Amino acid sequence: GESVGLHLPTLSVQEGDNSIINCAYSNSASDYFIWYKQESGKGPQFIIDIRSNMDKRQGQRVTVLLNKTVKHLSLQIAATQPGDSAVYFCAHELPPNNFNKFYFGSGTKLNVKP
Amino acid sequence: DAGVIQSPRHEVTEMGQEVTLRCKPISGHNSLFWYRQTMMRGLELLIYFNNNVPIDDSGMPEDRFSAKMPNASFSTLKIQPSEPRDSAVYFCASAAATGSNQPQHFGDGTRLSIL
Repeated sequence: GESVGLHLPTLSVQEGDNSIINCAYSNSASDYFIWYKQESGKGPQFIIDIRSNMDKRQGQRVTVLLNKTVKHLSLQIAATQPGDSAVYFCAHELPPNNFNKFYFGSGTKLNVKP
Repeated sequence: DAGVIQSPRHEVTEMGQEVTLRCKPISGHNSLFWYRQTMMRGLELLIYFNNNVPIDDSGMPEDRFSAKMPNASFSTLKIQPSEPRDSAVYFCASAAATGSNQPQHFGDGTRLSIL
């Protein structure tokens, strides 16, 4: 029979444009959030994190926004480049968490068009 | 800095054979996680250790799967006997568990194909 896999949401952007990748979480007790980037053939790579006492954090070309009211997290990538093409995962932690266990989203595929 | 190191990178074997995947966590990290990633189910947590002790193995799919962490610098995930449906990419990750709010760092995975 035909196999059915996860349908990853795909975001296609033009090189140089800004990208926004979204993630929703369900548990209001979540207190720490991470965005990971996974390129083909590699493991997820840490990009940026944010704690629940913040609503915005900036890195190099990336910004994470946290809206605890609606339990929503977003990753903004400025001036998207072909090297940004990858699958992006959000992950969150629930307290108490002495072992750094995370809950991962299903991922969003970012496709950057030259 | 050396990241998480997994071996082998690729493994192809026939069903029924024993498969052993290896992981060396980042030095000083004391939490270690094994994941499986497939197109069907995405990233699944199989088991995790803290200070070499298994904390939660509820994600291990069957008794054919077992994991050990004999010391702070080495862990194995074993499948015996292997089946075609075990084909996936297996990732190991480690984290510094001194308090929470520490990210996990992943290796580049072992791509396992069971024929």
